[in-house]
Amino acid sequence: GAVVSQHPSWVICKSGTSVKIECRSLDFQATTMFWYRQFPKQSLMLMATSNEGSKATYEQGVEKDKFLINHASLTLSTLTVTSAHPEDSSFYICSARDWEGWNEQFFGPGTRLTVL
Amino acid sequence: AQSVTQPDIHITVSEGASLELRCNYSYGATPYLFWYVQSPGQGLQLLLKYFSGDTLVQGIKGFEAEFKRSQSSFNLRKPSVHWSDAAEYFCAVGAGNDMRFGAGTRLTVKP
Repeated sequence: GAVVSQHPSWVICKSGTSVKIECRSLDFQATTMFWYRQFPKQSLMLMATSNEGSKATYEQGVEKDKFLINHASLTLSTLTVTSAHPEDSSFYICSARDWEGWNEQFFGPGTRLTVL
Repeated sequence: AQSVTQPDIHITVSEGASLELRCNYSYGATPYLFWYVQSPGQGLQLLLKYFSGDTLVQGIKGFEAEFKRSQSSFNLRKPSVHWSDAAEYFCAVGAGNDMRFGAGTRLTVKP
């Protein structure tokens, strides 16, 4: 149980285009989902927290207009990187938390974004 | 402020040798503690977690960790390392919406 999937697992795009990454909780309802970014050889940095049906809360320094987060259902959250640039290339990982497992986040496998 | 410190950026051990990865934390309340492992290009896999109770926690792949409140530590141990254990290890502290990760320790295993 408690499986989180991400799609796509990797994506390459041209500078200036937008990319959407999906995060799904497969066997539980995720009241809260989180988006992290991880640069090579670094730790995970929280970008934003989203609750189903409400606006995401962004961490300081994360541009909310550039990284659009939608959590429209209890099993799906999307991260859209708008007008992507090479510096946005990174490993994006989502996690989800259900009501019963409120002490623990379940992590997706990550999405590798490369912007050319 | 909540924080997690993994003092060792990189550790090299010989296959079959014992391993201890250090984790120290600073947290306002009783923490929930986690150890994750990440192979290159992969997501995080939960090794073990501590919420309450017995301070010695057993995890997957033969790993264990001990919570020591007096030392604010949650060190990860394995009695005999296998070559497949080579990876990045992250300690995390928190609960619910507030989770903080350490910088990670990269484990190299020598044959």
